[in-house]
Amino acid sequence: DAGVIQSPRHEVTEMGQEVTLRCKPISGHNSLFWYRQTMMRGLELLIYFNNNVPIDDSGMPEDRFSAKMPNASFSTLKIQPSEPRDSAVYFCASTLGTSETQYFGPGTRLLVL
Amino acid sequence: ILNVEQSPQSLHVQEGDSTNFTCSFPSSNFYALHWYRWETAKSPEALFVMTLNGDEKKKGRISATLNTKEGYSYLYIKGSQPEDSATYLCAFYDGTASKLTFGTGTRLQVTL
Repeated sequence: DAGVIQSPRHEVTEMGQEVTLRCKPISGHNSLFWYRQTMMRGLELLIYFNNNVPIDDSGMPEDRFSAKMPNASFSTLKIQPSEPRDSAVYFCASTLGTSETQYFGPGTRLLVL
Repeated sequence: ILNVEQSPQSLHVQEGDSTNFTCSFPSSNFYALHWYRWETAKSPEALFVMTLNGDEKKKGRISATLNTKEGYSYLYIKGSQPEDSATYLCAFYDGTASKLTFGTGTRLQVTL
């Protein structure tokens, strides 16, 4: 099993640009989570999906952030327009059930200049 | 906002020392408590998922206990090795909110 796959692994962009992060969960997992890691807040949940449906997006910072899961094997997190304070590592995780062990992807390190 | 607290924030021990950390969480709406190990520049990896009060789990030299009534879990490492150096995260699963909330972690450094 390839595990959770995220792309790109690193992204450097300029303020105002659109950024799209991608995630492929483990096959058969029905829940997918997007997290952001910052020095100040640690690992914070942005949004999660269950069976491709967004369940809780209360962690999404503001309207500049959006996430989609068009099918069971793919999800995107989009930031438009990006700002320097969005610089962080973004992790995707998947699991068989929302309370079960989460399997994390390698993360996308985003730097907004 | 759920309060999941871990202590200490960081810990520096010598090889061979045994050590333990604490995770405190709300005692209401408890469903599960997770422990993850997070090495620098990698992603978190699951150690344990604990659901029952009094639960004890073990994986090699690492073990964990759970007290849901008073809202805490301990993680123990016996005979620490340099490869144990990592951040150890706990996460509380709220059965009502159906959400996992992570603590800020305990950063362990083991030196020779």
